[in-house]
Amino acid sequence: DAGVIQSPRHEVTEMGQEVTLRCKPISGHNSLFWYRQTMMRGLELLIYFNNNVPIDDSGMPEDRFSAKMPNASFSTLKIQPSEPRDSAVYFCASSRDRTARETQYFGPGTRLLVL
Amino acid sequence: ELKVEQNPLFLSMQEGKNYTIYCNYSTTSDRLYWYRQDPGKSLESLFVLLSNGAVKQEGRLMASLDTKARLSTLHITAAVHDLSATYFCAVAPRFGNEKLTFGTGTRLTIIP
Repeated sequence: DAGVIQSPRHEVTEMGQEVTLRCKPISGHNSLFWYRQTMMRGLELLIYFNNNVPIDDSGMPEDRFSAKMPNASFSTLKIQPSEPRDSAVYFCASSRDRTARETQYFGPGTRLLVL
Repeated sequence: ELKVEQNPLFLSMQEGKNYTIYCNYSTTSDRLYWYRQDPGKSLESLFVLLSNGAVKQEGRLMASLDTKARLSTLHITAAVHDLSATYFCAVAPRFGNEKLTFGTGTRLTIIP
């Protein structure tokens, strides 16, 4: 299997611009997770989906962030408008299980820099 | 709210030495993971521990779980440079909110 695929791998944008991050989970996995990693806050769960349905979005920082999963093989995380404090590494992960308790397999991450 | 604490946060050790990383958590759990992250890379699953007293070993790494003490340890034996990485534990609470909660990570540097 190709593993979790994320794009782009690097993104540099200016404050106020819209940013869209993309993720393709491992085929056959039922749950998908979006994380953000920074030096200050560590690894934070933003939102997770089960069978394409958002289950818990309590980690989404504010209304500027939105996530969708239109089908089992694709998800997006959108930031609009972006701010410098959004600079971080964003990871997508997937797992076989319907809950968030099973082993999660992480993608390579998207390194976002907002100037 | 589930809290997961790791210590130490930073660890620098010489090759050939032994050391232990600790992971404490604040709620009942029957499932604990250890992940490894190399600099600039993604997270890779190392172990999953599913019961009290569980022990898993892979090469120079050995992980154990004590659910009564709410403690997991990751023991490094005769460290080699290739083990330099950040190690995270992640805990799934047994009841209520089932999300994994990750610890702060321990950045391990092995000095030749």
